[in-house]
Amino acid sequence: VQLVESGGGLVKPGGSLRLSCAVSGLTLSDTYMTWIRQAPGKGLEWVSYTSNSSSTGYTTYVESVKGRFTVSRDIAKNSLFLQMNSLRAEDTAVYYCARATGSGPFGHSDYWGQGTLVTVSS
Amino acid sequence: EIVLTQAPATLSLSPGERATLSCRASQSISSYLAWYQQKPGQAPRLLIYDASDRATGIPARFSGSGSGTDFTLTISSLEPEDFAVYYCQQRSDWPTFGGGTKVEIK
Repeated sequence: VQLVESGGGLVKPGGSLRLSCAVSGLTLSDTYMTWIRQAPGKGLEWVSYTSNSSSTGYTTYVESVKGRFTVSRDIAKNSLFLQMNSLRAEDTAVYYCARATGSGPFGHSDYWGQGTLVTVSS
Repeated sequence: EIVLTQAPATLSLSPGERATLSCRASQSISSYLAWYQQKPGQAPRLLIYDASDRATGIPARFSGSGSGTDFTLTISSLEPEDFAVYYCQQRSDWPTFGGGTKVEIK
């Protein structure tokens, strides 16, 4: 199993960025996925949670990114995306994609990507 | 939001010693708690899920216990590669993480 994120970089406040997560060894359409971020020197925060239902999945978001971030999937390419708009300085973090697994609510993450750094600064 | 409080913030121990890390939830989370290990520059690694189940490939020196609001991660005898930051995570409600415990070499 391998998850590889890309698309991070430096962006000005108010700008946009699209992160990608290429998944191999897992079938995205059968898998619950999450984006988790970690601000520099700080702890971890769940950003989004995408179910395996339908072709697009159903995604829920942490309150602080609702209306600004959107998750999408390309099942044919087995890839997950995080579209981030109206970026703020507090969105600066390493963003990880990870599998969410476990019976019951939400999940724990057993497979993680290496992370991609997003820096929001003027 | 369910708040997880980890203690202590830093644990200074020597190789071979026993490490006991605590995670307390602001409300009952049943057994929906996981523990992760993170080393500098790396993604977190799942150690324990559902409070006490070891993840695949995790050595037996790592064990988890607890339910409700109080949880413990125990490392029975520290190996050099165990010095790292440890996070707990709950999934009873929108998932949240504790602030972490750094296990450092004394």
